[in-house]
Amino acid sequence: AQTVTQSQPEMSVQEAETVTLSCTYDTSESNYYLFWYKQPPSRQMILVIRQEAYKQQNATENRFSVNFQKAAKSFSLKISDSQLGDTAMYFCAFMNHVSGTYKYIFGTGTRLKVLA
Amino acid sequence: GAVVSQHPSRVICKSGTSVKIECRSLDFQATTMFWYRQFPKQSLMLMATSNEGSKATYEQGVEKDKFLINHASLTLSTLTVTSAHPEDSSFYICSARFLDRRGDGYTFGSGTRLTVV
Repeated sequence: AQTVTQSQPEMSVQEAETVTLSCTYDTSESNYYLFWYKQPPSRQMILVIRQEAYKQQNATENRFSVNFQKAAKSFSLKISDSQLGDTAMYFCAFMNHVSGTYKYIFGTGTRLKVLA
Repeated sequence: GAVVSQHPSRVICKSGTSVKIECRSLDFQATTMFWYRQFPKQSLMLMATSNEGSKATYEQGVEKDKFLINHASLTLSTLTVTSAHPEDSSFYICSARFLDRRGDGYTFGSGTRLTVV
């Protein structure tokens, strides 16, 4: 069975600094997607970044980038130039679908606080 | 693009009544939608996957007669909590699959906080 582990329940970072959130997963599948979602106090889930497993190049979205290590099953998120608005809960998620059956598994989340 | 609208955002109902939550894709066709439940300070748990025009696939341990899912059109999926009880109180979130130039994406509704009294 697939699992997603986020080992950092809480983290804090000074404004303008860089922070890395860790995520590891376990699967026997070769094709899958990985995501990072942000959930601010409003509880709206916001897609931060996504990575397809067959792509070796690490995904980037402005200040957000990932370090995807497929062999190590690691998918960390780096936030550069942290802003106060980045304060939120961050969830790592694994998804694959085989023959129309979807498996979408979320980690337990990392609460990030950006300090002024 | 790829916006999902979820209503209502909050609902309070009496024990024993039923509540319907709607999830609409506004600017794309959602052939596949997902329903999640989130307990306070916990992660999202997938309840079921719904495909337009067919029966929903429920995750293990989720009562299909309790949580009725209907995905009758490409833009609307509904979750009905039947004969609600206080233990059904939770935050429910829908999500829809979309395709763009980067491949598969999944966008979420804003969630519904259900309180059963």
